[in-house]
Amino acid sequence: DTGVSQDPRHKITKRGQNVTFRCDPISEHNRLYWYRQTLGQGPEFLTYFQNEAQLEKSRLLSDRFSAERPKGSFSTLEIQRTEQGDSAMYLCASSSEGYYGYTFGSGTRLTVV
Amino acid sequence: AQSVTQLGSHVSVSEGALVLLRCNYSSSVPPYLFWYVQYPNQGLQLLLKYTSAATLVKGINGFEAEFKKSETSFHLTKPSAHMSDAAEYFCAVSEKSTGGFKTIFGAGTRLFVKA
Repeated sequence: DTGVSQDPRHKITKRGQNVTFRCDPISEHNRLYWYRQTLGQGPEFLTYFQNEAQLEKSRLLSDRFSAERPKGSFSTLEIQRTEQGDSAMYLCASSSEGYYGYTFGSGTRLTVV
Repeated sequence: AQSVTQLGSHVSVSEGALVLLRCNYSSSVPPYLFWYVQYPNQGLQLLLKYTSAATLVKGINGFEAEFKKSETSFHLTKPSAHMSDAAEYFCAVSEKSTGGFKTIFGAGTRLFVKA
């Protein structure tokens, strides 16, 4: 098992462009989480999947953000019409049912210029 | 709703000295509590977790934490700091959410270790 993989590691985009990030969780984990982390802060919850169902979405997540997890395997996080305030590290984590610690990926660092 | 407060955004210790990182939580139900460590440009790694078993929890790299319900605290300690312990540490609390558990993280404490 190679752990949680995130792609790309770094993304620089111009304001107004759309970006999409991918997360591949540990294969036997049915729960997948997206968090956002800005400099000097702890991870902030964005959304959560159990299998292919998106069960919770943060009220902080604007309509420009959308996440999917087709077939309950990998997940994508899309940000439309990026803004400079979207610049952050986007972290993906997964866990198995009944185990309450997460395995995190290395994150995707987004810079909006 | 649960929340986490980490006291001190920066802590500096000498190599070989005691490490103490403070965490207080707020939760309306018995919580699950965690400490994670993050090295630069990396994701978070689970150090240890409390899930209502023993109140003194031992983790990796010689760290341990004690759950004190009366003080709503879950402080992280290590008897002797090593240079490789320099990193950012996050305390986190989980409560049951829609269909599962959602974890809320504190703002983090950066640990500096002086030679």
